[in-house]
Amino acid sequence: DGGITQSPKYLFRKEGQNVTLSCEQNLNHDAMYWYRQDPGQGLRLIYYSQIVNDFQKGDIAEGYSVSREKKESFPLTVTSAQKNPTAFYLCASRKGQGTVGANVLTFGAGSRLTVL
Amino acid sequence: AQKVTQAQTEISVVEKEDVTLDCVYETRDTTYYLFWYKQPPSGELVFLIRRNSFDEQNEISGRYSWNFQKSTSSFNFTITASQVVDSAVYFCAQGGVNAGNMLTFGGGTRLMVKP
Repeated sequence: DGGITQSPKYLFRKEGQNVTLSCEQNLNHDAMYWYRQDPGQGLRLIYYSQIVNDFQKGDIAEGYSVSREKKESFPLTVTSAQKNPTAFYLCASRKGQGTVGANVLTFGAGSRLTVL
Repeated sequence: AQKVTQAQTEISVVEKEDVTLDCVYETRDTTYYLFWYKQPPSGELVFLIRRNSFDEQNEISGRYSWNFQKSTSSFNFTITASQVVDSAVYFCAQGGVNAGNMLTFGGGTRLMVKP
């Protein structure tokens, strides 16, 4: 079955360490997104990519980095510059390019990052 | 600027009760879309419904129904005869159609259905 796979599901990090969250999709979707979820704050957009080798910052990109070398993959690195990285991270994708405002997103099961 | 407000952070009901989840949005767009997603304990958000701003017809799908009222900028979601499996966090979201316009999510409502 097609879908989005995120790994690891749980990740613990010491302060000062960079960590990379994996996101792989086999839906042949063009656009991919990273959201951060904090209790009571909904989902906030970190980065998105509408095509291979191109990506744009979302609302809260500081302290994060991404790459899009393959259509299927959109890894997120949480760097030591992110001051409050403990959160639940969700990867999403959708078919087609253009504005996301009208289109349905498919989500992965998320990765929970905890900074010790 | 866009804003989506889900004033109910947590709702607890007993199985078979009806429950309504409120969603109020703000936008300057004349054409926009509204969504509801469900997030079960497994974590992934599951799409439930999309409605465009020109279609104010209410929609019913099984035990689920949605009431879109443009006059009050609301898009409320009702579950009839709730079941334990309905326990989840529900998100309302709004998006425009202009280039680069991203989805804006509400803070979510956690629904707990007790047996």
